[in-house]
Amino acid sequence: ETGVTQTPRHLVMGMTNKKSLKCEQHLGHNAMYWYKQSAKKPLELMFVYNFKEQTENNSVPSRFSPECPNSSHLFLHLHTLQPEDSALYLCASSQDPGYYGYTFGSGTRLTVV
Amino acid sequence: KQEVTQIPAALSVPEGENLVLNCSFTDSAIYNLQWFRQDPGKGLTSLLLIQSSQREQTSGRLNASLDKSSGRSTLYIAASQPGDSATYLCAVAPSQGGSEKLVFGKGTKLTVNP
Repeated sequence: ETGVTQTPRHLVMGMTNKKSLKCEQHLGHNAMYWYKQSAKKPLELMFVYNFKEQTENNSVPSRFSPECPNSSHLFLHLHTLQPEDSALYLCASSQDPGYYGYTFGSGTRLTVV
Repeated sequence: KQEVTQIPAALSVPEGENLVLNCSFTDSAIYNLQWFRQDPGKGLTSLLLIQSSQREQTSGRLNASLDKSSGRSTLYIAASQPGDSATYLCAVAPSQGGSEKLVFGKGTKLTVNP
């Protein structure tokens, strides 16, 4: 375990479903991130939260809705997704501004059917 | 816009060989550079972190170098083992103020054959 825990590890959902991904860190970091990893593409930054405030929304469609209730927890709410949203979703944390590097979770493998 | 390129995209070597993975970036204004390992379907494991003021970092059989002025980093793996088989990702943290956002390369897929 890296200190960043993501649940669930795998998720299959229909296009009309609503589901949530959860990320939790107990490293004392104050910045948390959602990344998307699709096949044969570099990791794409989706959202950044710093001290619970969203500081970056990298032109992500509104069907992805992040929530950060405190510096230790981060959620990604999913609704009416498309098959092309199937990917590995990775959560990361850092002690902003990231001087000490980033710690990633194991990811959630999402399949949209 | 910062871009990170990793060469080669894939590499297959026999066990015991020493090897070098390459990473280049277009904007030398970086905070630090981090090398990660990713096993299939899994998350990222941090291997080495090099600050912009440093030239290299070492951990066991791994050595990473950084030449910020030329926009290059290398990851050297000594005496490779089949357990080293994975995708290796290079990421740079831009030095702009505020939350730092890693920019990743596409990775090098390494296969070490017994």
